[in-house]
Amino acid sequence: KAGVTQTPRYLIKTRGQQVTLSCSPISGHRSVSWYQQTPGQGLQFLFEYFSETQRNKGNFPGRFSGRQFSNSRSEMNVSTLELGDSALYLCASSDPQGTQETQYFGPGTRLLVL
Amino acid sequence: AQSVTQLGSHVSVSEGALVLLRCNYSSSVPPYLFWYVQYPNQGLQLLLKYTSAATLVKGINGFEAEFKKSETSFHLTKPSAHMSDAAEYFCAVSPPFQGAQKLVFGQGTRLTINP
Repeated sequence: KAGVTQTPRYLIKTRGQQVTLSCSPISGHRSVSWYQQTPGQGLQFLFEYFSETQRNKGNFPGRFSGRQFSNSRSEMNVSTLELGDSALYLCASSDPQGTQETQYFGPGTRLLVL
Repeated sequence: AQSVTQLGSHVSVSEGALVLLRCNYSSSVPPYLFWYVQYPNQGLQLLLKYTSAATLVKGINGFEAEFKKSETSFHLTKPSAHMSDAAEYFCAVSPPFQGAQKLVFGQGTRLTINP
């Protein structure tokens, strides 16, 4: 099976702009989670989507949003970008059959905000 | 709330030596525990996970970890380090509830292997 794919891999934006990142999960996986990785804050959970519904949410401002499509692909959007949004954004997919299934991560999208 | 503490942001060992990366967790209920590895410019790769079965968990690349409830620890070990083990390692915890696809990560430990 193909792994989790994320596009684009690299992105440069300026403050105030908005950005949309895309994640395609492993075929058959219905859950997609997003994480932000920065040198200062480490890896932080943004949100999780399952069957097109947001099921869990981390502690991020409303500028960060996401959605999931019927084919389980997910997008996350960041509006009104700030310098502090520069980070590696990681997407992970899983297929929760029981209580907790392994999350498989994509390579990430590296966002630089100037 | 759950949390994870990784002792030592940097660990350096010689090739062939024992690797020990420390992880302690805080959770009101027995959690699920994971170790992930991240190579430069890549995502996270699962090394191993504990989900309340055997307390000694074997993973990929010769790594293993032991869940010790009394010490709230889940330390990662490898008997003999290889140069290819140089990477950043993350310990993570998740509540054992259905639908809880949310990982809380430690700050990471950068492992350096000296020739």
